[in-house]
This record gives sequence, structure tokens and C-alpha cells, in this order.
Amino acid sequence: GAVVSQHPSRVICKSGTSVKIECRSLDFQATTMFWYRQFPKKSLMLMATSNEGSKATYEQGVEKDKFLINHASLTLSTLTVTSAHPEDSSFYICSASRSEETQYFGPGTRLLVL
Amino acid sequence: AQSVTQLDSQVPVFEEAPVELRCNYSSSVSVYLFWYVQYPNQGLQLLLKYLSGSTLVESINGFEAEFNKSQTSFHLRKPSVHISDTAEYFCAVRVTGFQKLVFGTGTRLLVSP
Repeated sequence: GAVVSQHPSRVICKSGTSVKIECRSLDFQATTMFWYRQFPKKSLMLMATSNEGSKATYEQGVEKDKFLINHASLTLSTLTVTSAHPEDSSFYICSASRSEETQYFGPGTRLLVL
Repeated sequence: AQSVTQLDSQVPVFEEAPVELRCNYSSSVSVYLFWYVQYPNQGLQLLLKYLSGSTLVESINGFEAEFNKSQTSFHLRKPSVHISDTAEYFCAVRVTGFQKLVFGTGTRLLVSP
């Protein structure tokens, strides 16, 4: 149990376009979902925390208008990178939690902006 | 604020040798502790966690970690590693009552024949 999926696994887009990444909890209801960004050979940086039906809480330094997060249901959260630029290229990972105890991570989405 | 230190960015080891990946944390309040493993181009998988109770926790694939409150450490150990254990290992902490995970910078375990 506790499987989290992400779609797409890999996306290449042109600079200036927007990209949407989906995160789904497949076999449980996630009260909270998290979005992380991972730079090459670096740790995970928490971008934002989202609870179903409410606005996401962004970490300091993360542009909320740049990285739009929607958590419309207990099994789905989306991250939209608006007007993407090459510096937004990264590995984006979501996680989902059904309790305070454990976060279950998705397989990640590799974004490349040309 | 909490922080996690993984001093070793890379640990090379031969197959069937023992290994220890070090993790130290800093927090003024009680925390939960986690080890996650990340295989190439994949997300993170929970390896083991300490929430309460016995300070020695084990995973199903032979890893174990011991919570040492006095030394604020949660080192990960395995008595005999396999080639398939080659991966990036992340230590993380979470303050009890909160959901935010704080990660260390990771340790790459390289197992060679």
C-alpha cells in the first residue's frame, strides 16, 4: 500500500510555456501533499505543502505565482510551472501523507526547459 | 530550526563488506527520524523510521539504524552490502506534531565487486 504516482515522468518544453505535473495517491487518501525540487547531486528542497481544499503553503523563496499548486481532491495534487525558463529545469518530486507519521514519495518528474 | 548533517557525500565499499552511513541532526524539540533511499532517476523510498520505542530500528532488506539521543545521531548500518544497495541515501527529521521533513544532503553508497 501507500503508492504515489507522478505524471509525466519526463517532460521537455520550450521556454515560456507552462507545464503541469500531476501527483496521485493511488491506494490511500492523502490529507497533505508536498512538492519538492531536487537539484543534481543535492538534497531535496521543499517547495510547498498543500492540504486538500485549501491554499498551498509555500516555503520562503519559492514564487507562488511561478509554481501554482492545486490540491483539488484527497488523491490528486498538481504543480504547474508557469512561463518556464531553463533555470526551472530540475527533478520535481511529490509526496503524500495520510497521517503525521510518514510521507510516501512519487517517482519524480524530470523537467527540461529548452 | 532543525538541520540534518550527512558528512559523507560518497561511501565506496566492496560487496559483502559492512557499511555505516552517518547522520547527525540538530533540534531543540523532539523529532522523528527517517532514512530514505533513492535509486537513479527514481523518487525516494522509505527505508526505515524511528518514531518512538526501541532505539534500534530495522528494515526488511538488512539495514538498521540506531537513534542515539545523547549524540543526536541516527546512523544507518548494514553488516554485508550487495551491489544492488548502490543508491543515494537521505536522512531526514520531522518535528513531532508537524509534517515538514528536513533532509540531509545525502550519501551516495557505491558498492563494487
